[in-house]
Amino acid sequence: DAGVIQSPRHEVTEMGQEVTLRCKPISGHDYLFWYRQTMMRGLELLIYFNNNVPIDDSGMPEDRFSAKMPNASFSTLKIQPSEPRDSAVYFCASSPRTGKMGSGRRGETQYFGPGTRLLVL
Amino acid sequence: GIQVEQSPPDLILQEGANSTLRCNFSDSVNNLQWFHQNPWGQLINLFYIPSGTKQNGRLSATTVATERYSLLYISSSQTTDSGVYFCAAYSGNTPLVFGKGTRLSVIA
Repeated sequence: DAGVIQSPRHEVTEMGQEVTLRCKPISGHDYLFWYRQTMMRGLELLIYFNNNVPIDDSGMPEDRFSAKMPNASFSTLKIQPSEPRDSAVYFCASSPRTGKMGSGRRGETQYFGPGTRLLVL
Repeated sequence: GIQVEQSPPDLILQEGANSTLRCNFSDSVNNLQWFHQNPWGQLINLFYIPSGTKQNGRLSATTVATERYSLLYISSSQTTDSGVYFCAAYSGNTPLVFGKGTRLSVIA
């Protein structure tokens, strides 16, 4: 398996522009996570999905951020409009389901993509 | 929510030395993982270890769940071990919470 794939790897944009980050999870994984890493705040969970459904978006900083997972193999994180304080590395991760279908148990080991380094000028 | 604390924050080792990194967590956990973030920024799974001991080459980890801590051992360190080591844990249905990491520099 190719692992978690993220694109683009680097993005430089100007304040006010729309930014779309993309993620392809590992095939067969039921959980998908979006994280943000900054020097000041470390690694923060933004949102996670189970079977394409958003479960917890309490980490999304504000309404300018939105995430979708239209199918099991693709997710996007969108920032509109972008601001300089959004500059960070954004990671996508996926994990397999544990337990029986419908048990609600969270997946275990999370596998991270290479990240997208975003710079908003 | 669960609190995850790591120590030491920074560590400098001579190549070939051994080290122990510690992770304390504030509540019982369902999931505890150790990650290595290399100098290129990639996060690599080292161990999934909510309890017990595991070994992988020069690395091993032990989690004592009843005492709420986990240890990562690095033996015969190499320059390629440099980077930041993160411990992350969750309890119940809470999100995975990361510690602030231990920054390791191994010098030749």
